[in-house]
Amino acid sequence: ETGVTQSPTHLIKTRGQQVTLRCSSQSGHNTVSWYQQALGQGPQFIFQYYREEENGRGNFPPRFSGLQFPNYSSELNVNALELDDSALYLCASSLVLRKDTQYFGPGTRLTVL
Amino acid sequence: TQLLEQSPQFLSIQEGENLTVYCNSSSVFSSLQWYRQEPGEGPVLLVTVVTGGEVKKLKRLTFQFGDARKDSSLHITAAQPGDTGLYLCAGAIGSSNTGKLIFGQGTTLQVKP
Repeated sequence: ETGVTQSPTHLIKTRGQQVTLRCSSQSGHNTVSWYQQALGQGPQFIFQYYREEENGRGNFPPRFSGLQFPNYSSELNVNALELDDSALYLCASSLVLRKDTQYFGPGTRLTVL
Repeated sequence: TQLLEQSPQFLSIQEGENLTVYCNSSSVFSSLQWYRQEPGEGPVLLVTVVTGGEVKKLKRLTFQFGDARKDSSLHITAAQPGDTGLYLCAGAIGSSNTGKLIFGQGTTLQVKP
């Protein structure tokens, strides 16, 4: 059974740039959630995707957007990067019948300079 | 606003000691998860509790969900250096199928040999 994978592992961008982060869900899981974890904090929910549609969103501006593909993999896109976007971005997958039980990937560390 | 407060925030103990971490909220959760996270990695799911008053054991770890489903505790017996890490509680709001997890800020545990 393959776990959740994310790419890239680390990324450095400058203010105003755009970034795309990628996630492959655990085998058999069809729901993907994205979280932002600032240093020393717990993860914060960005949004969730199911059946290729956004299915719930946290308090993040529209410049945070996502996609889910037919194979359940997902992308997180952030436009007009700000310094405060520097964080660990986590992807989690789950089954549609137990969306609360989520399995996390290793994360992508984004640094915005 | 749903908030999960974890206490203590930091804990440094000697190998062999017992400890308890608390997770409290004024909100009712349909389920609650406990995760353990190592530096630079994603959270690893330890347990999901669903029923008020439920107790689950995982080797030396005991998890309890409060009767009113507003709080939870994690008790570790005879802590070992391998237990060192960040412990996070996360609550699912609404039904267990909303998938939006609210995380506490975490408890950093250090177990010294």
